[in-house]
Amino acid sequence: AQTVTQSQPEMSVQEAETVTLSCTYDTSESDYYLFWYKQPPSRQMILVIRQEAYKQQNATENRFSVNFQKAAKSFSLKISDSQLGDAAMYFCAYLTGTASKLTFGTGTRLQVTL
Amino acid sequence: NAGVTQTPKFRILKIGQSMTLQCTQDMNHNYMYWYRQDPGMGLKLIYYSVGAGITDKGEVPNGYNVSRSTTEDFPLRLELAAPSQTSVYFCASSYGAVETQYFGPGTRLLVL
Repeated sequence: AQTVTQSQPEMSVQEAETVTLSCTYDTSESDYYLFWYKQPPSRQMILVIRQEAYKQQNATENRFSVNFQKAAKSFSLKISDSQLGDAAMYFCAYLTGTASKLTFGTGTRLQVTL
Repeated sequence: NAGVTQTPKFRILKIGQSMTLQCTQDMNHNYMYWYRQDPGMGLKLIYYSVGAGITDKGEVPNGYNVSRSTTEDFPLRLELAAPSQTSVYFCASSYGAVETQYFGPGTRLLVL
């Protein structure tokens, strides 16, 4: 069974600084997809970024980028120029094409300070 | 487009009562999902559907039932509510099996 591990329950970053959230996963599949979702206090799950395992290039979305290390089964999220609105829970998630099921990590709570 | 909508936003149930959580999407997505999120945890899949008339169990299906009579709607039924079903329930949808899932705002359920 696939598992997703987020080893940092909480992280803190100063406004305008850069922070990296860690995620590792365990799978025997070769075809899969990885996601980072943001959950603010409103509880809405918001897609931050998506990475296809077959792509070597790391995905980027404005201030958000990932470091995808397939051999190490690592998928970290880098947030640059952090803003107060980035404060939220961040969940790493894994999807295999054969199961249609997202497997979530336990989340990292990100605080952004002035 | 409203995306994925869920009703109600919050509900308190007594042990043994039943209720239906409603989910509707207007994106013409084939796939729909129900997840639950317990405090301090990630989401776990309850049931999913790959199209009208087709449903399948996820990781934690016990105590729940679903139906999918239309593309747009995917209600989740709780029979004989138990305190262990206190959770936040999210509905999601996607165009295909490996496409990005889009989530509704969630329903917070408290069973006392």
